[in-house]
This record gives sequence, structure tokens and C-alpha cells, in this order.
Amino acid sequence: DGGITQSPKYLFRKEGQNVTLSCEQNLNHDAMYWYRQDPGQGLRLIYYSQIVNDFQKGDIAEGYSVSREKKESFPLTVTSAQKNPTAFYLCASSIIAGGSTDTQYFGPGTRLTVL
Amino acid sequence: KNQVEQSPQSLIILEGKNCTLQCNYTVSPFSNLRWYKQDTGRGPVSLTIMTFSENTKSNGRYTATLDADTKQSSLHITASQLSDSASYICVVSRSGGSYIPTFGRGTSLIVHP
Repeated sequence: DGGITQSPKYLFRKEGQNVTLSCEQNLNHDAMYWYRQDPGQGLRLIYYSQIVNDFQKGDIAEGYSVSREKKESFPLTVTSAQKNPTAFYLCASSIIAGGSTDTQYFGPGTRLTVL
Repeated sequence: KNQVEQSPQSLIILEGKNCTLQCNYTVSPFSNLRWYKQDTGRGPVSLTIMTFSENTKSNGRYTATLDADTKQSSLHITASQLSDSASYICVVSRSGGSYIPTFGRGTSLIVHP
């Protein structure tokens, strides 16, 4: 069963704690992305990576960190510096970043709730 | 500013009826436009993708149109089914080096039996 997976599906965190969301893909895609989705809003880009060991900040990177040590994996850490972390987090991948007909494939998402 | 605006924000229809969702964009220079379907609590799934030279593309009961001159797109759903209940997201990409597409806020469609 190929594709892009995220874990866990639901995550609860106490204020002040860091938490890491997992994203794995076996599509052999070079590019990976993290988005945040809030009710009634479009997806907002947190970070993206075009290649292993390289990543770029998106529109709302403050309070988040990522790593890209392997092509298949792009974990997202939500730090205690993120002021309003409760949201639905989506990971995506694409063959390359910015190809004219390149499609992003999304994982099932992780719903993070800060208690 | 590059923007994607979708309308209506939400729509309720009866099973078997047709509907049309709208997407207006200001993204420039234009590269391509995609429509995604997102079921509640799931990740979006691509329905169609259109480049500048394409003005119609179908995927089963879904038909997308593109007017690059007026910067408008529509998604027409024929003979709706209960499983069409979802959020439909319009996504526009720029050409010329910007790697990140611009997402609309989506139209929430509810199909009632």
C-alpha cells in the first residue's frame, strides 16, 4: 500500500510541551510540505523541502521546526513557542517542487489539540 | 497579492441534482489550476488539473472549466451522490520559480438524500 502516511491521527498536548508529527512517503518524491488547516481557512504553508537536508520556511513557520534527513521522512515539531497550535496538520509530497503539472499528494492529516 | 476566492462558501443540494462551484483568482503569472476534494478529517485528493491552454477537463461526474482571460474556473458536479459531500478546494500555481501554490478556502458541499 503506497502513499503518504501521517501519525498519529489525533494528538493531545499540554501547553508548554513540544510535540513531533510524523510524515512518511514511499512515492520516491523529492519535495515534501507541511500545511496547517484551520476551520474556514485555506491551507497555509508551514515549511517545505525540495531535497534531502534542505528545507525552506513557508508563510507561518514561527513556532515550528522540521528536518529532512531522509527522502522518505519529513517530521514536523510544534514547539512551545507556537502560540495557537490547535489545528489540523497536513503533510504533502510531490515529484518535484514547482513543476508545471506537478500534483501534491496529501497524507490523511494529524489533528493536534492543546489542552 | 496572489489570491484565490471560492464561492459559494457552502452549498446544500439534493441527491441527484447538479451543482457548480466557482473559483476566481488573481495569481499571476499563471501556471496551472487544480481542484481538490477533501472529505471531513481527511487529506485533499486531486480531481483535475488544467494548464493555460486547457479550458475543460472531466473526471467522471466532475467537469472543470478554465477561462484564463477572466481568471475564472468552475467545477460542475453532475448527478450528485451522497459521497460528494465534502469540501472542494481550488488551488492555483504560479509559473516562473514560485514553488508553492495558493489555496482557496474551499466550498463545503452537503448532499442530502
